[in-house]
Amino acid sequence: NAGVTQTPKFQVLKTGQSMTLQCAQDMNHNSMYWYRQDPGMGLRLIYYSASEGTTDKGEVPNGYNVSRLNKREFSLRLESAAPSQTSVYFCASSQRDREWEKLFFGSGTQLSVL
Amino acid sequence: RKEVEQDPGPFNVPEGATVAFNCTYSNSASQSFFWYRQDCRKEPKLLMSVYSSGNEDGRFTAQLNRASQYISLLIRDSKLSDSATYLCVVRGDYKLSFGAGTTVTVRA
Repeated sequence: NAGVTQTPKFQVLKTGQSMTLQCAQDMNHNSMYWYRQDPGMGLRLIYYSASEGTTDKGEVPNGYNVSRLNKREFSLRLESAAPSQTSVYFCASSQRDREWEKLFFGSGTQLSVL
Repeated sequence: RKEVEQDPGPFNVPEGATVAFNCTYSNSASQSFFWYRQDCRKEPKLLMSVYSSGNEDGRFTAQLNRASQYISLLIRDSKLSDSATYLCVVRGDYKLSFGAGTTVTVRA
């Protein structure tokens, strides 16, 4: 059971470079999320997608874009990376209605922006 | 003020000991509460939901105090494998707020 798979696991960028983080889930979940985790802070929601074809901003969307490619895949793009985007990024999925708070996370991407 | 606050610890306890820690939340309208566990450099995983009447899952006991707006987690008979960071998660209206986590280290 793969669950939630995200790539890459590690990435180093220079300021101004762009990149896309990929995420796929095989649990037939409707909702998908992108979070970032910084030291001393709780996970913060960047963007989420309640269902295929919809996306919405979370708490910290600035500097990011997302695409819900299909029910399985939800990508996060940094168009022009900044040092403030150095963080660990987690993709997650959940059922849409019942127990949507029970998230299944990918293994994370450690991103450093120099 | 943060929506969810936790004592970061670390709580260093010997094997077999009991350890307990709290999490406070600011939104009195919060609806659901959870504990997630996060191992070092790994993804968070749901440990247990927290019910109004309190609930147990093996050696883990979760309590909710709505009047004082906090939840707690107690771990009995600690194992080395319990070493992790425990994240408090609070649900508001279609939003989850995560605490920064409490680190527990169980030593042999």
